[in-house]
Amino acid sequence: DQQVKQNSPSLSVQEGRISILNCDYTNSMFDYFLWYKKYPAEGPTFLISISSIKDKNEDGRFTVFLNKSAKHLSLHIVPSQPGDSAVYFCAASADGGTSYGKLTFGQGTILTVHP
Amino acid sequence: GAVVSQHPSWVICKSGTSVKIECRSLDFQATTMFWYRQFPKQSLMLMATSNEGSKATYEQGVEKDKFLINHASLTLSTLTVTSAHPEDSSFYICSARDVGSGSHRNEQFFGPGTRLTVL
Repeated sequence: DQQVKQNSPSLSVQEGRISILNCDYTNSMFDYFLWYKKYPAEGPTFLISISSIKDKNEDGRFTVFLNKSAKHLSLHIVPSQPGDSAVYFCAASADGGTSYGKLTFGQGTILTVHP
Repeated sequence: GAVVSQHPSWVICKSGTSVKIECRSLDFQATTMFWYRQFPKQSLMLMATSNEGSKATYEQGVEKDKFLINHASLTLSTLTVTSAHPEDSSFYICSARDVGSGSHRNEQFFGPGTRLTVL
């Protein structure tokens, strides 16, 4: 049962334009969401996160939007740069109990930014 | 920023042997570390949660006797793949939570991963 889904396996964007990566989740207990960037043969690098009490969080070129009613979040990268080309993972966690701190990852989206 | 290292970065072993992978938090203390594995073109799957000074918590379907986890100090966790078989070949990644930084409890910092190939 895939509780976090990234339905677009890949995305191609022109340099300078906006990249929008989407993520859907099914578990209503998730209360914290994170985006990670990953290069081949390397571990994921934390990008940005958002708590379920917010609907937007911004950090430089990266903005994450959360729509709780739709169980949907998105990562916006503006402007996109060739160095942003990587695999982007959406992750979610639930509060308390045995799931404390445990992350559930989506399948990842390969972002390619063309010069 | 918080740095997590893994050693070795890659290892090739014969079927039936055991392999130990180390995960270290270099500039912070980590009471909790996590071990993931990733198959090609698939997501990271959590294998177990490693708590310093106590037994690891394994996810459903992960054999605790095959994947031995030891978290003996606040900066080191080890994963030992015992009696490795070709199907254990995968990319193993650890992560650690920096509980002292004031960052959200769920922010995890990942190691660079270890590529295990079992012949």
